[in-house]
Amino acid sequence: DSGVTQTPKHLITATGQRVTLRCSPRSGDLSVYWYQQSLDQGLQFLIQYYNGEERAKGNILERFSAQQFPDLHSELNLSSLELGDSALYFCASSPSPTHNEQFFGPGTRLTVL
Amino acid sequence: DQQVKQNSPSLSVQEGRISILNCDYTNSMFDYFLWYKKYPAEGPTFLISISSIKDKNEDGRFTVFLNKSAKHLSLHIVPSQPGDSAVYFCAATMNRDDKIIFGKGTRLHILP
Repeated sequence: DSGVTQTPKHLITATGQRVTLRCSPRSGDLSVYWYQQSLDQGLQFLIQYYNGEERAKGNILERFSAQQFPDLHSELNLSSLELGDSALYFCASSPSPTHNEQFFGPGTRLTVL
Repeated sequence: DQQVKQNSPSLSVQEGRISILNCDYTNSMFDYFLWYKKYPAEGPTFLISISSIKDKNEDGRFTVFLNKSAKHLSLHIVPSQPGDSAVYFCAATMNRDDKIIFGKGTRLHILP
């Protein structure tokens, strides 16, 4: 158990809908990262937050957005969902941006029908 | 553009023998490399890392070798055990303050 929690575990929704994925980092970790893992793909970095502020952006679509709240939990919002958005979404946390060993949650499996 | 490449999608190794997982990278600015291990239905877990100022880092049965001139790193597991069966991701970053770029992973099967 990494100490990072993600909810929900599974999510099934329809195209065009909007969903919110939630992540609670390890106690004391200030950095939160979001990744997408599609079929046969590696982990694609989406976005990073540090202590409430956006720090780095990867290949995140404009239909996706995220935020980190004062209690350090983070939410990833996916809107106007398409079939291709079906994937595993992982959240990870670390004490700081310079601490490279990230601790991953169990992931949320999103299925868009 | 894949900056971190793991060209072997899968690898099968006999229990007790050495497992060697390979990784190539294209960006010479990467200065820190990591290996993560992932079991089904779980998130990746950090395994071992190496800074670009070193060419080898060892932790128990796991050793990572870095060849900067070839932009190549490898993870050696010896002896291989059944619990090592998992997907292994190679990852790289620069300046220890940037996003981590992951490869697509190599699925390791340890055969009895």
